[in-house]
Amino acid sequence: GENVEQHPSTLSVQEGDSAVIKCTYSDSASNYFPWYKQELGKRPQLIIDIRSNVGEKKDQRIAVTLNKTAKHFSLHITETQPEDSAVYFCAASRGASLFSGGYNKLIFGAGTRLAVHP
Amino acid sequence: DVKVTQSSRYLVKRTGEKVFLECVQDMDHENMFWYRQDPGLGLRLIYFSYDVKMKEKGDIPEGYSVSREKKERFSLILESASTNQTSMYLCASSLFPGQGNTEAFFGQGTRLTVV
Repeated sequence: GENVEQHPSTLSVQEGDSAVIKCTYSDSASNYFPWYKQELGKRPQLIIDIRSNVGEKKDQRIAVTLNKTAKHFSLHITETQPEDSAVYFCAASRGASLFSGGYNKLIFGAGTRLAVHP
Repeated sequence: DVKVTQSSRYLVKRTGEKVFLECVQDMDHENMFWYRQDPGLGLRLIYFSYDVKMKEKGDIPEGYSVSREKKERFSLILESASTNQTSMYLCASSLFPGQGNTEAFFGQGTRLTVV
């Protein structure tokens, strides 16, 4: 079945440093790749997503890159701040298109616990 | 604002009990999901539904069933609760593919303890 692997499982950085989280997916028909942030005791919330027709997307301090050939995508956070501390989940689905044969079934990675130290 | 509401924040049930977890969304989303969240294992898909009365198994459906009688409501049923089903359960909803924003919105979670 579909699988998403995420690394590292924990990441500790100093405030102001960059953080990179990497994911690989198995379903070559996946075309939608969201990233979710879950703060302690709260529900996961979407922070950025990318579709397979785009190689990179940026939103202020966060960016996501996608390599379809290698079936991997990454989250980059620059100038990290203590409020970036959370668990980050990557996911993959066929949800970008009605004709992709899927129902936006989202498969998640195991998560990365990011700690940003002041 | 999309709202996905789960009926209970915390539940304690006894082994062997039948348990119902309810989820309601108010944005007319076709897709609804039930995930289980355990430390180190991330969010694992139990079941999802893409329409009323339609359901598909996820990665870990054993011991669970679901019901979607109305578009806004998706119920997760533990037929006979066991201690290894102690976990955080998260419901989510999203639009059908191709309808625009396919973001999944999550409920606040139900922490179930089976004793």
